[in-house]
Amino acid sequence: NAGVTQTPKFQVLKTGQSMTLQCAQDMNHEYMSWYRQDPGMGLRLIHYSVGAGITDQGEVPNGYNVSRSTTEDFPLRLLSAAPSQTSVYFCASSYGGLDNEQFFGPGTRLTVL
Amino acid sequence: RKEVEQDPGPFNVPEGATVAFNCTYSNSASQSFFWYRQDCRKEPKLLMSVYSSGNEDGRFTAQLNRASQYISLLIRDSKLSDSATYLCVVNGYGGSQGNLIFGKGTKLSVKP
Repeated sequence: NAGVTQTPKFQVLKTGQSMTLQCAQDMNHEYMSWYRQDPGMGLRLIHYSVGAGITDQGEVPNGYNVSRSTTEDFPLRLLSAAPSQTSVYFCASSYGGLDNEQFFGPGTRLTVL
Repeated sequence: RKEVEQDPGPFNVPEGATVAFNCTYSNSASQSFFWYRQDCRKEPKLLMSVYSSGNEDGRFTAQLNRASQYISLLIRDSKLSDSATYLCVVNGYGGSQGNLIFGKGTKLSVKP
């Protein structure tokens, strides 16, 4: 099992550009989520999904979109990148939701100039 | 509003030492509690869940005090490989909907 994979590992964008961060898991987990981690702050939830076709907002959803067309994939789209979105982004998945172990991907380091 | 608070450290301890971290949470309705470990520039990984009765996994012991709303992690006989940031995590609303609340983490550095 590859677990949770994320691409790209690193990305530099200019303000206003859009892009999609990819996340995939091969553990057949229903629950998937996206977090951002900024220096001096805890991980903050951006969006989450409890299954294919179902998504919901987390704590900091503004500027991001998600979709969940399959159990395996949960891409995160930045609509118009801003310097405030410079961060490390982690995708996570779990079996059964928040009460169980979250498996994190290796992260994407995004810089917006 | 700060829902999960941890001492950021760093805790600098010699090998073999015993070290304890505490974490407080604000939502009394929280039902699930965890300690995650995060190595530098890596993803968080589950260290252990925290149960009401307390639980132990080798050199690691976790305790939950619901009345005072705090969680603790004790590491005995520290190893160099224990050097990492330890994240206290709380299921803020209970159930599968909602939000895991992450503390900012406590950094541990174990020295030879």
